[in-house]
Amino acid sequence: GAGVSQSPSNKVTEKGKDVELRCDPISGHTALYWYRQSLGQGLEFLIYFQGNSAPDKSGLPSDRFSAERTGGSVSTLTIQRTQQEDSAVYLCASSYYGPYEQYFGPGTRLTVT
Amino acid sequence: KNEVEQSPQNLTAQEGEFITINCSYSVGISALHWLQQHPGGGIVSLFMLSSGKKKHGRLIATINIQEKHSSLHITASHPRDSAVYICAAQIQGAQKLVFGQGTRLTINP
Repeated sequence: GAGVSQSPSNKVTEKGKDVELRCDPISGHTALYWYRQSLGQGLEFLIYFQGNSAPDKSGLPSDRFSAERTGGSVSTLTIQRTQQEDSAVYLCASSYYGPYEQYFGPGTRLTVT
Repeated sequence: KNEVEQSPQNLTAQEGEFITINCSYSVGISALHWLQQHPGGGIVSLFMLSSGKKKHGRLIATINIQEKHSSLHITASHPRDSAVYICAAQIQGAQKLVFGQGTRLTINP
């Protein structure tokens, strides 16, 4: 079946612009996660959705970052007033609720110039 | 100190060698995940375990809950095993993963 998809695959934006990153999880997966991998750095957690609610937003680095999920499916991560330090690969993953395998999307590579 | 520590950070071996990557964690977990990331970035889940041992082909993952330690073994390593291997702890009572820094494995022919 279809895996997790993300769009766009690459995004180049100018400092100060807003960007939206999209994630389509695997159908039936109620849990959705956003992670970030900066160049040369490890993976870090940003936010977790259970259904349309976000019970854990503890990893969002600033109030410029927000995310929503609609219909228990598609999620959008929005970064306002992008900064150069926002350049990274943004990864989405989905799973069933609980200790289950997480399935990762291919990521969106964001470059802020 | 990171909540999840992996060792070694880099590992180079010859084809056919037995490989061990170690992961220690300092938090309570509901599960421990092993992930593989190939050049080009795609992340694949290899194992998720909460006790004992799991095997898939040439890959074996073990976990010792009392010692808060997990290992990933690769038998009869092959150049296509070259990748970054990442250990991740699923925090008890939460869904998010906390990641180790990864082990870059290179298998030479």
